[in-house]
Amino acid sequence: DTGVSQDPRHKITKRGQNVTFRCDPISEHNRLYWYRQTLGQGPEFLTYFQNEAQLEKSRLLSDRFSAERPKGSFSTLEIQRTEQGDSAMYLCASSPPSKQGSNTDTQYFGPGTRLTVL
Amino acid sequence: AQSVTQLDSQVPVFEEAPVELRCNYSSSVSVYLFWYVQYPNQGLQLLLKYLSGSTLVKGINGFEAEFNKSQTSFHLRKPSVHISDTAEYFCAVKAGGTSYGKLTFGQGTILTVHP
Repeated sequence: DTGVSQDPRHKITKRGQNVTFRCDPISEHNRLYWYRQTLGQGPEFLTYFQNEAQLEKSRLLSDRFSAERPKGSFSTLEIQRTEQGDSAMYLCASSPPSKQGSNTDTQYFGPGTRLTVL
Repeated sequence: AQSVTQLDSQVPVFEEAPVELRCNYSSSVSVYLFWYVQYPNQGLQLLLKYLSGSTLVKGINGFEAEFNKSQTSFHLRKPSVHISDTAEYFCAVKAGGTSYGKLTFGQGTILTVHP
């Protein structure tokens, strides 16, 4: 169990550019979540995947945001035409399938990708 | 929908003193409750969780929390803190009954332990 990994850890970009973040969940975790955390606030839910299916999206996920999990393993989060308000920490979490016991309710978080939009 | 209120944004305390971080929640359905800790520039680490059963739950690093349904609270406690407990703590809630589902977090409480 190597934990949830995210890449890059830091990203600085200019307003209007596109950025893409990657999340690798814990092996065999079929559920994957994206959250956004702004300074001084708790994380806010963005979207949820079960295997490759995107089952829930927050209203925070505007049309400039898109997330994918094409093979049910890693996931990408893309932000198009970035704005200064997109500056935040983007957190990924994963959890195991129901059949794997009592920790299915627990979401395991990665270290996050800190985005700064200039 | 659920919401979480952490009643203190910052809690300063001296080393070896007890501490309580307060969390209240609101929900129209049954809930599961969690406390996470976040160290600077790191992700969130689960401290403890309440799903059902005993209302007093024990977690890692000597922390415990008590679920109080009538007061809709889930306060986090530690009888004696260490310098290494300095971090930000988040209370979170999700709808119960299913293992999947988004977490709704509070605003966080920054715990600072002074020598």
